[in-house]
Parts: sequence; structure tokens; C-alpha cells
Amino acid sequence: GAGVSQTPSNKVTEKGKYVELRCDPISGHTALYWYRQSLGQGPEFLIYFQGTGAADDSGLPNDRFFAVRPEGSVSTLKIQRTERGDSAVYLCASSPFGGRAGELFFGEGSRLTVL
Amino acid sequence: DQQVKQNSPSLSVQEGRISILNCDYTNSMFDYFLWYKKYPAEGPTFLISISSIKDKNEDGRFTVFLNKSAKHLSLHIVPSQPGDSAVYFCAASNTGNQFYFGTGTSLTVIP
Repeated sequence: GAGVSQTPSNKVTEKGKYVELRCDPISGHTALYWYRQSLGQGPEFLIYFQGTGAADDSGLPNDRFFAVRPEGSVSTLKIQRTERGDSAVYLCASSPFGGRAGELFFGEGSRLTVL
Repeated sequence: DQQVKQNSPSLSVQEGRISILNCDYTNSMFDYFLWYKKYPAEGPTFLISISSIKDKNEDGRFTVFLNKSAKHLSLHIVPSQPGDSAVYFCAASNTGNQFYFGTGTSLTVIP
């Protein structure tokens, strides 16, 4: 499809394990965002890429969280030593320009459950 | 600290009537605001935006009002339709890099 694609849609893991979540943005979109949405909350900013570089990673909660976008398209969010508090829906969004030029196009999210 | 607040977790409105969803923010540096709509098991979809140089923006049945002095914005939906039933998030930005979202208001339009 033409939208933002996220895989897996659901991931159940055990505390302490390593997890990777993948985002395939809309073709040609240079800006890519990761957000996290916990139950009953709005999406919370994690990181923003413009092209290949992380332009703003101030939302990453700690050094267990890391994201890459090596070729300026697909991005992977990596979570090490998962904790139960990491359980949330991880949303990826892309935008044609980034910045205030506009809206974000969101994927359906990856629901992470840490047991 | 929640910089964007939606104090009404839910709202029910009769079909054909007006729905008014409210949003307050604390950061006076915010100058770009958006509303998103979210259906269950889907990502949020963009609805309408407004820049701080305006106080109103209209798109069909949807109008967003911005009151900068009160740090308040609202989304009006007229007339409301059952298909409008969803969770609505407001979001604000001052740099465009980070969008701060509210906690959402679940709208139910009763046929």
C-alpha cells in the first residue's frame, strides 16, 4: 500500500529481551518520527529523523532505546533489556518535508507487550 | 508535564448536532496546532490544522478555533455524523520537530 507500514503489528516479549520495530514510511517522505502511546495517553514523541540523521532524539526515555534510518527510508526502533513499562503502542509517522510544513502520516502502530 | 491537555475524556452528541472538542496548552511558544482523528486499531489521521497567525480555519464540516490569549483551541464538527465517532487528539508544536499531543477525547455520535 501507499501508507506508512509498521511491522510487527503485535509483539509479545519477556522482560530483559531485545526488540526491534520496523517502519517503512511513505515513499519520498524525508521526515520520519517515532511516537509511543501508552494506554489512556496521547502519542509521546521519541525521535525525529530528517533523511538519515536523527535531527531530534530528545524524546528517547533512556539509553535502552535507539533508532536508525541508514538509507533515509526504512527506520528501526531498537529497545534493549525491555521492561514492563515499555509496553505501549509504538507509532511511526512520516512527512514530506518535516518541520511545520505539515501533517504527519501515521502507521497503524506496533503494539509491544513486555511480560 | 502535560503541555497539551484535553480535559474531557469523552463526549456524546446526537447526530446532526454540533460537536465541540476542547484543548488547552501551557507553552506560549506553540505556534502550530493540529487535530487528529483515530479509529480503533488504526493510526491517527490528520484532520485539520491552524497556525497561530490565524484564529479560525474551516474545512467542510470541521472548524478549528484558536484563542491565543487563553491558550485554548477547539474543534467544531457541524453537523455531527455517526462516522465521526472516534478519538480526537489535538497536537501542538513550536519547532515542527516535536508535536505534543493531548490525551484524546472519545466522541460518540448517536444516530
